Amino acid sequence: EDQVTQSPEALRLQEGESSSLNCSYTVSGLRGLFWYRQDPGKGPEFLFTLYSAGEEKEKERLKATLTKKESFLHITAPKPEDSATYLCAVQATNAGGTSYGKLTFGQGTILTVHP
Amino acid sequence: DVKVTQSSRYLVKRTGEKVFLECVQDMDHENMFWYRQDPGLGLRLIYFSYDVKMKEKGDIPEGYSVSREKKERFSLILESASTNQTSMYLCASSSIRTAAYEQYFGPGTRLTVT
Repeated sequence: EDQVTQSPEALRLQEGESSSLNCSYTVSGLRGLFWYRQDPGKGPEFLFTLYSAGEEKEKERLKATLTKKESFLHITAPKPEDSATYLCAVQATNAGGTSYGKLTFGQGTILTVHP
Repeated sequence: DVKVTQSSRYLVKRTGEKVFLECVQDMDHENMFWYRQDPGLGLRLIYFSYDVKMKEKGDIPEGYSVSREKKERFSLILESASTNQTSMYLCASSSIRTAAYEQYFGPGTRLTVT
């Protein structure tokens, strides 16, 4: 069974204080690992897809990296507007059938950035 | 930009009522999904559909049904709403024409059953 574990559950940072969020996963075969941002009361917003170990993607102050067992979301010099819940999800490869569109989500990390 | 819309942002229904939640996507995506999200339980998949009139159960299908008569529209039906179905409901869609079928979410419907 595919599993995703995110840590920490909550992270409080001062504005400008860089840090990382962790996403550990177990999956039979990885088609893709996804990061989403979710603001309170809204749907998750897609950020990145990572496909293979060693890959990196960047968007503004966010950088996502991938190894064979985990992914990190690095936040450089965060601002208060970066406060949100960050969700990680994996999609397994599938030899056949119709379940290949399904994602397994982690519980999320609640990030709060204080001014 | 991918756009997924949901029929209501907030909905209040009474126990026993039949509830329809509708989702529309405008990107010709093949796959559509319904999730519910509850504090401490994360996102849980209720049903998904990979083609018109095709559906598969997710992890928590009990008490729900779905309908997909057109490619762009996916409806979630609560046959007889109960208080334990009070939740945030999220619709998503994805395309099999991308490498990893990224899912794009709608804004969510906050359903309260009293």
